[in-house]
Amino acid sequence: GQNIDQPTEMTATEGAIVQINCTYQTSGFNGLFWYQQHAGEAPTFLSYNVLDGLEEKGRFSSFLSRSKGYSYLLLKELQMKDSASYLCAVMDSNYQLIWGAGTKLIIKP
Amino acid sequence: ETGVTQTPRHLVMGMTNKKSLKCEQHLGHNAMYWYKQSAKKPLELMFVYSLEERVENNSVPSRFSPECPNSSHLFLHLHTLQPEDSALYLCASSQETGGGANVLTFGAGSRLTVL
Repeated sequence: GQNIDQPTEMTATEGAIVQINCTYQTSGFNGLFWYQQHAGEAPTFLSYNVLDGLEEKGRFSSFLSRSKGYSYLLLKELQMKDSASYLCAVMDSNYQLIWGAGTKLIIKP
Repeated sequence: ETGVTQTPRHLVMGMTNKKSLKCEQHLGHNAMYWYKQSAKKPLELMFVYSLEERVENNSVPSRFSPECPNSSHLFLHLHTLQPEDSALYLCASSQETGGGANVLTFGAGSRLTVL
């Protein structure tokens, strides 16, 4: 079967760096997405990786290793507003999105 | 208005009621989706419409009935629901279905409680 694994919950300190990991086993691969979802709000697109390596977008970076079936989302200079759930999703060979259960990130002052 | 708008934001219904969820997108997208989001579970894809034609129905019980009258509007009609159907129902749209960088734009969801 197809599976996406990510930690259920993480805690970090304001101003620090946190890395949220995502591992996947899917039938084929057509890209990996990260979405952010604040409580009671819509998930919003953060990043898309289809080739190996690191993509940087301001304070957020996303890394992909296709050979290892592994990605991470790196958040730097954490702010209180970064408290949210982070959803990892992989597009398989049929262009179907396979979702992880999300990682709830708690930022403490 | 811009983006994807869902109404109502909250809905409480009994098991014998009939209600509908509405979704509207102002992005000119061709594909629209219904997802179910339950606590600590992955998003579950329910239905996909492309250019008003249903292209996917993921074994969803018949008590959920989608309708897509045009490419901007999507409805989810609900009847004789069960308590386990209580969840957040998310609508999303994208430029097309399939394709690599198929970014979804989500609405804020309709929180459904079935008593």
